[in-house]
Formats: sequence, C-alpha cells, structure tokens
Amino acid sequence: GAGVSQSPSNKVTEKGKDVELRCDPISGHTALYWYRQSLGQGLEFLIYFQGNSAPDKSGLPSDRFSAERTGGSVSTLTIQRTQQEDSAVYLCASSSLGSGANVLTFGAGSRLTVL
Amino acid sequence: QKEVEQNSGPLSVPEGAIASLNCTYSDRGSQSFFWYRQYSGKSPELIMFIYSNGDKEDGRFTAQLNKASQYVSLLIRDSQPSDSATYLCAVVYNNAGNMLTFGGGTRLMVKP
Repeated sequence: GAGVSQSPSNKVTEKGKDVELRCDPISGHTALYWYRQSLGQGLEFLIYFQGNSAPDKSGLPSDRFSAERTGGSVSTLTIQRTQQEDSAVYLCASSSLGSGANVLTFGAGSRLTVL
Repeated sequence: QKEVEQNSGPLSVPEGAIASLNCTYSDRGSQSFFWYRQYSGKSPELIMFIYSNGDKEDGRFTAQLNKASQYVSLLIRDSQPSDSATYLCAVVYNNAGNMLTFGGGTRLMVKP
C-alpha cells in the first residue's frame, strides 16, 4: 500500500480482555517496528522485525505482550489480559533496507483504552 | 541503559525567530540520528537525519551533530506557527541494527 495501515484506529476494552492490533507495512519494506506512546510521553520501543531474522523483543514490557509477522508483511500485536496501564497509542512503522534503512514511516496508530 | 534525553518544554518562540531544539544521547558509538515532528494527535513524521559531524541544512531546518559531546540539535529558522509541534530526537545505537531509540520529545510553540 501507499502507507502504513493500522487497525483498529480505536479500541476500547475491559480490563482482563485480550486485544489484537494489526499493522500492514509499506509494500517492500522489510523492517517493521512497534512502539507505544502514552499520553504526553515519548515513544517506547516494543518489538522490531527485520526480514527473516529473529525479532528483537527486548522492549516488550511483560509476557502478556506478543507479536508476530506473517509472510514478512502484516504484523499483529497481541496483548493478553489487558490492564489499565496498557492504555496508550500503539504505533507501527516500517522501513526499507539500504539507504532507506532507519527512515521510519509511521502508521496512524491504534488508540487502546482499557477500562 | 541507553538513553536519549530532551527537554520536554514547552519551548516558546515568537514567529520569525530561530527555534533551537537539543538532544543528548548516552552511547558514544551511535552512528545515525533523526529528527521527527509530531503534531498533536498525529503520528511522527521524519524531518531530517544526520550521520556525520557538523551541520546539515534542508530548507529552514538545520541539524547539527557533535559526536564528541554526544548531542544533536535542530534549528528552525524563521519559525512559523505551523511549526508548533512536538519534536522527537531518535538515535540508532551502536550494535542496535536498525532499531531507533526515541527521546521524550520537546514541545515547540511558535506564537504569532
């Protein structure tokens, strides 16, 4: 696609429920990133996929968080047993290799509210 | 702990003035540095990147990198009210592959 697409744009859930957030990166971009941004805060790194390499999961805050990337394209971030502190905007970004590496293009984000 | 530090602001400048935004980082081996702009309620968008010591200019924006002192700055000349946003500094740390670490951002307000 022309840009990074994320869905849903807004999700309200009850504490304890599981949620899935989806990211469709720019076609041909091999790197995909998930960041989290709480209100008025900076971006917190969660997980990074690069091609077929093992993902860098060092930013996942707990074992309730997991992510996968199928076929080197679409990624799903799953949060199990959601807590109120999980409320944030979850941003996905993608980048290409070579001279475009590190130049991230962000999606519009998925705003998660846990009641 | 690899950190990227920014003053949260707000930094208030009058229209037409130069806005100076600063960022320090903890890993001396870092190689790549980025400035992103984020309007309220929107996603970050890339303004510019810099890899070498010195200045890099792009229109009204100048990025300045000093690896010895471990800081990177963004200057915005002839500031406009439309420049009012949060500016995020990001660093690729040595041996971090392509993973960017972001600072907390500086909120800039340009007053007419």
